[in-house]
Amino acid sequence: GEDVEQSLFLSVREGDSSVINCTYTDSSSTYLYWYKQEPGAGLQLLTYIFSNMDMKQDQRLTVLLNKKDKHLSLRIADTQTGDSAIYFCAESYTGTASKLTFGTGTRLQVTL
Amino acid sequence: EPEVTQTPSHQVTQMGQEVILRCVPISNHLYFYWYRQILGQKVEFLVSFYNNEISEKSEIFDDQFSVERPDGSNFTLKIRSTKLEDSAMYFCASKGRKDYGYTFGSGTRLTVV
Repeated sequence: GEDVEQSLFLSVREGDSSVINCTYTDSSSTYLYWYKQEPGAGLQLLTYIFSNMDMKQDQRLTVLLNKKDKHLSLRIADTQTGDSAIYFCAESYTGTASKLTFGTGTRLQVTL
Repeated sequence: EPEVTQTPSHQVTQMGQEVILRCVPISNHLYFYWYRQILGQKVEFLVSFYNNEISEKSEIFDDQFSVERPDGSNFTLKIRSTKLEDSAMYFCASKGRKDYGYTFGSGTRLTVV
């Protein structure tokens, strides 16, 4: 079955770059996503990437996908205190009706 | 920006009682989902719903759970006889045919006592 793993915790200083990593096992994953969850809040879609892409950039966010190693990363440039949250990677198979399978989540702590 | 709306935001219920969690998906979306997140754990898939029927369900979604889209706007999750271990945050999500992103609601925190 699908399995998506992330490291649990990352601490960075304000202004530095953050890199959050994710590995997945399902080679048929077609779409890979990054969601942000602030304390007590819902899941906010940050960005997604198709499996036929290597990289996607969206303002301060850069997603890198290594399909051979089944490794996905999210880089946040110039990390701000407002970026402190839990970040979930998720994968789906077809991207239409299929479910999302979430990773364990990485708690990003931004210090001054 | 269109939103997925969930009510109530927090519900406390006694063990054995029935609860109904409500969701209003984005109006032109076709695919609907329920997920849950037990405190401190990962977000788990419960069920997906399309064309007025369940598309897929997880092992968690047993006979105690049911979903319904009673009209053109609401999507509900019913838990027939709640257990302590049903305490979790329940998220509704919806998705359009041409979208690739799933839009989530803010969640309902269910506490079973």
